Amino acid sequence: DTAVSQTPKYLVTQMGNDKSIKCEQNLGHDTMYWYKQDSKKFLKIMFSYNNKELIINETVPNRFSPKSPDKAHLNLHINSLELGDSAVYFCASEGELDKQYFGPGTRLTVT
Amino acid sequence: AQKITQTQPGMFVQEKEAVTLDCTYDTSDQSYGLFWYKQPSSGEMIFLIYQGSYDEQNATEGRYSLNFQKARKSANLVISASQLGDSAMYFCAMREGGDTGGFKTIFGAGTRLFVKA
Repeated sequence: DTAVSQTPKYLVTQMGNDKSIKCEQNLGHDTMYWYKQDSKKFLKIMFSYNNKELIINETVPNRFSPKSPDKAHLNLHINSLELGDSAVYFCASEGELDKQYFGPGTRLTVT
Repeated sequence: AQKITQTQPGMFVQEKEAVTLDCTYDTSDQSYGLFWYKQPSSGEMIFLIYQGSYDEQNATEGRYSLNFQKARKSANLVISASQLGDSAMYFCAMREGGDTGGFKTIFGAGTRLFVKA
């Protein structure tokens, strides 16, 4: 059983397009996150949700809009994709001792 | 200012030897958590070890131990008896209160460990 899953694993698209990445966790956790890892491997938090409610928005451009239909899902929609959006996006959910369980990542390439 | 500093971009260690990966942090919170994660070349993020700021004993998980020195604000990861499979990127992270409420985890820039046979 996959604890935190993301789809798609790879996403290649052109500038200006709109795309979504889906995340699901079956751990029963209340808190979920989106992170962006750039080409230098730097990992930065984007959003955090607790029980479907947005808790943290780390000054991410408005083109990025997270949506949590229920506490097991946290999707990320990106409008008007730019070259600089190319990165690996990780979803994570948080359990006991604040331990985070990461999804496998989605490698987004914008051409 | 950097909240989490990992000063070693890359390190080499001989198989079966111990290695220490450095991490210093900066926070004004009294309660915080410190973590280490491993990212192998396959890309997934794997939790290794956790240390709470109020924990008096250093955390250990199998071959991993966290050398927590609160006064120095350091949380070094020690890997004993290195194995080839330990070759990966290692991230130190800290969980603290966010500016607008909630908690967030901040990651260091990472240390790439190479284990030599």
